Amino acid sequence: NAGVTQTPKFQVLKTGQSMTLQCAQDMNHEYMSWYRQDPGMGLRLIHYSVGAGITDQGEVPNGYNVSRSTTEDFPLRLLSAAPSQTSVYFCASTTGPQGTEAFFGQGTRLTVV
Amino acid sequence: GEDVEQSLFLSVREGDSSVINCTYTDSSSTYLYWYKQEPGAGLQLLTYIFSNMDMKQDQRLTVLLNKKDKHLSLRIADTQTGDSAIYFCAEKERTALIFGKGTTLSVSS
Repeated sequence: NAGVTQTPKFQVLKTGQSMTLQCAQDMNHEYMSWYRQDPGMGLRLIHYSVGAGITDQGEVPNGYNVSRSTTEDFPLRLLSAAPSQTSVYFCASTTGPQGTEAFFGQGTRLTVV
Repeated sequence: GEDVEQSLFLSVREGDSSVINCTYTDSSSTYLYWYKQEPGAGLQLLTYIFSNMDMKQDQRLTVLLNKKDKHLSLRIADTQTGDSAIYFCAEKERTALIFGKGTTLSVSS
């Protein structure tokens, strides 16, 4: 079982560059979400999706875009990277509102210089 | 908005019990979770409790839930050096998890 797969694991960007963090799950889960983790801040919700074609903003959405064209994939796009977006990013999926467990990817460590 | 609060640090000696506390604000939360994160690693689900339960025990782990006070605790019995990590409390809203800032548990031998 692959579970939730995130790519890349590590990335260094220059300020102003754009990139897409990939997230894929093979469990046919409805709900997917993106978090960023910063020291002393826990995990903060960036964007989430409750199904294909449906996305919404979390706590810290600015500077990020998402789309959900398929159930399996939920990419996170950085339009113009800034040093403040240096963080570890986690993607998660769950079956839906009654799902008990959120499955997390292994994380993407992003550095913006 | 919803908020999950945890103390930031806890230091215990090997063999002692550790108790990590958490408070949450969303009374409609269906599930409450404890995750463990070791340095440089992802999140590992330790245990979860449904909101209509008071207690859940799983080997060395005991979760207590006081729904009236919106207080959740994780007790680790016979704490080992391998338990040193950051522990996150999380509540489940309808659509995603809301996390606390994490409690760093340090276990000394």
